[in-house]
Amino acid sequence: KNQVEQSPQSLIILEGKNCTLQCNYTVSPFSNLRWYKQDTGRGPVSLTIMTFSENTKSNGRYTATLDADTKQSSLHITASQLSDSASYICVVSAKRGNNRLAFGKGNQVVVIP
Amino acid sequence: NAGVTQTPKFQVLKTGQSMTLQCAQDMNHNSMYWYRQDPGMGLRLIYYSASEGTTDKGEVPNGYNVSRLNKREFSLRLESAAPSQTSVYFCASSEGGATNEKLFFGSGTQLSVL
Repeated sequence: KNQVEQSPQSLIILEGKNCTLQCNYTVSPFSNLRWYKQDTGRGPVSLTIMTFSENTKSNGRYTATLDADTKQSSLHITASQLSDSASYICVVSAKRGNNRLAFGKGNQVVVIP
Repeated sequence: NAGVTQTPKFQVLKTGQSMTLQCAQDMNHNSMYWYRQDPGMGLRLIYYSASEGTTDKGEVPNGYNVSRLNKREFSLRLESAAPSQTSVYFCASSEGGATNEKLFFGSGTQLSVL
C-alpha cells in the first residue's frame, strides 16, 4: 500500500486563480515532508521541506502546510501562472536513516489562459 | 552551474542488450541515487551510494548494477535489458543522507526496451 496519497490526481485551473493540493501519509516515525515540482520532461525540483515542528512554509507563490497529528499536508498555489503547469510530488521521509523516501504519485496541474 | 547531469537523454534498446547510464554532479555531494519513474507510480529507488566507495540496494535493484566511480560520478548499468525496464531514470544527489537532505535531480533518461 502506498504510504503517500495525493489528491486530486489532476486538475485544470484558470490563470490567476488559486488552487490547493492535498497529501496524506502513513509514514512513521515521521522525519520531514517535502514538496517537489516536476515540469514535463524534467527532473523534480524542491519547493519546500518541513519538519515535525513546522506548520507552514512558503516559497514565493507556493505555501505548504503540515499537520503532523493528522498526517496531512497541503500545497497552495496563489495567483497561478502558466509556468505552474507541472506535476507536484509529495515526498515523506521516515527516521530510519536508510535513505528511503516515500514518494506520492503526484498532482498533475494544468493552468490555462 | 550544471548541478546533476545525466546522459543519454533518450535510449532505445532491444531485449537482451546492455547499456550504462551516466550521472555526474558538480556540487561536491556525498550521496548519489538512481530512481525510476513509471506512469501512475511514485519514484522508486534502485540503488544509492551514501559516500564514495559504497553502494547499497534500494527498493527495486533486480536487473541493475551500479558503480560509484568517484565522488562526482555514479553510473547505472543494465546488463541484459528487459521490456519491464522501460522507464524514465533519474539520478539525484544530496549533501548528506536523503532522509534529511534536499535531493537535486538530473533531467532524466527516457529508456525504451523493445
